[in-house]
Amino acid sequence: DQQVKQNSPSLSVQEGRISILNCDYTNSMFDYFLWYKKYPAEGPTFLISISSIKDKNEDGRFTVFLNKSAKHLSLHIVPSQPGDSAVYFCAASGAQKLVFGQGTRLTINP
Amino acid sequence: KAGVTQTPRYLIKTRGQQVTLSCSPISGHRSVSWYQQTPGQGLQFLFEYFSETQRNKGNFPGRFSGRQFSNSRSEMNVSTLELGDSALYLCASSFYRTSGVRHEQYFGPGTRLTVT
Repeated sequence: DQQVKQNSPSLSVQEGRISILNCDYTNSMFDYFLWYKKYPAEGPTFLISISSIKDKNEDGRFTVFLNKSAKHLSLHIVPSQPGDSAVYFCAASGAQKLVFGQGTRLTINP
Repeated sequence: KAGVTQTPRYLIKTRGQQVTLSCSPISGHRSVSWYQQTPGQGLQFLFEYFSETQRNKGNFPGRFSGRQFSNSRSEMNVSTLELGDSALYLCASSFYRTSGVRHEQYFGPGTRLTVT
C-alpha cells in the first residue's frame, strides 16, 4: 500500500526553465510534508517542507504547493540549474512516521 | 558539527549470513530512524529509536532488528540474509521527538549491502 506516490520516475528540464515535481498521497491524516534531494553516494538532504495548514511555502528558488482536497503536492524549482540534477523524494508525516515516495530523478540539461 | 556517520559504507555478504550496521547520529540528536532504499521502492521505513526505546516500526520481518545505546548510537541487524535484502540502508537522526515529525531528519550516506 503506497501511501505516498511519485508517479514520474524521471524528469528532464532545460537549464533556466521551471522544474515541477509532483507527489500524491492517500492518507488524509498526514499533516506535514517534506521534500528531500539525494545525490548519488550521499544520503538525502532536507530541502523544504510545508504544514497542512498552509498551501504554499517558498524558499529561494524552491516553492512547495499543497492541495489538500486533491491530496497533491508539488515542488517548483525556478530557474533550474545543473546542480539541481538529483533524485527528489517527497515525504509525508503522520502517526510518528515519515512515509517517502519512490523518488523522481531530475536531470537538468544545459 | 559532524554529520550522521554510518559504517561500513559497503558490505558484501552471502545468503544465510547475518549483518550488523552502525549509525552515529549528530551530537545532541536522540532520535534515530532506519530506512531501506531499493530501486523503484523509495525509502521504506524500518524502525525508529528514541532514548534507547524502539518507538515505531515499519512492515519488515522479524529478521530485521535494531537497538540504540545510551550515547544515541544505533545498530541495525539483519539475520538470515536473503538476496532481496540487497539495498542501501540509510540512517537518519533528528533532535526533537518525532511526534508528527515537524522537523527535518538528517541522513547519513548509507551502507550499501549486497547479498550474493
